[in-house]
Amino acid sequence: DVKVTQSSRYLVKRTGEKVFLECVQDMDHENMFWYRQDPGLGLRLIYFSYDVKMKEKGDIPEGYSVSREKKERFSLILESASTNQTSMYLCASRPARSGSITGELFFGEGSRLTVL
Amino acid sequence: KQEVTQIPAALSVPEGENLVLNCSFTDSAIYNLQWFRQDPGKGLTSLLLIQSSQREQTSGRLNASLDKSSGRSTLYIAASQPGDSATYLCAVYDNAGNMLTFGGGTRLMVKP
Repeated sequence: DVKVTQSSRYLVKRTGEKVFLECVQDMDHENMFWYRQDPGLGLRLIYFSYDVKMKEKGDIPEGYSVSREKKERFSLILESASTNQTSMYLCASRPARSGSITGELFFGEGSRLTVL
Repeated sequence: KQEVTQIPAALSVPEGENLVLNCSFTDSAIYNLQWFRQDPGKGLTSLLLIQSSQREQTSGRLNASLDKSSGRSTLYIAASQPGDSATYLCAVYDNAGNMLTFGGGTRLMVKP
């Protein structure tokens, strides 16, 4: 079974702190994604990565950065946490597209971040 | 810009009923479509992925169909059980097969 593991299920941080959210997948997937999920707003893409050291901005990258130094690990960084970044953060991965076939997207369990 | 709509937003049914969840999308030039399940406070679990060349996929009591020309997908759940209670989301891939657009989900409650 594919496993996407997010290091922290629950975090409480203070405004201005630097926050690291870690995600590791064990299936050698090329593509990895970070979403946030908020009531009434659904899932919104923050950043994604097609391969090691590659990153692309999603729909709401402001206030976030990412790091992908190894294929299995994709980190989301909040440089200076703010209260409006209180949310559920979801990491996902999938294999690279192969011809006309796009692989399934697999999600981690989520990290609920509260910024006070 | 692709928009994905799921109606109804919430549904309550007695145990044992067969039910259909709907997903509609505005741009029919999609690559494929994936259905997910989400339990409260948890991540999304993949249920079914329908490739663009397919019209349906089945897994156990679940059957998902895709009609690209009409911009619709349905998820059929047979003989519903209380354990099926969750939020169900559909997501469509863009024409390049890269980016997903998610629907808002249908919150399903199956009562014993």
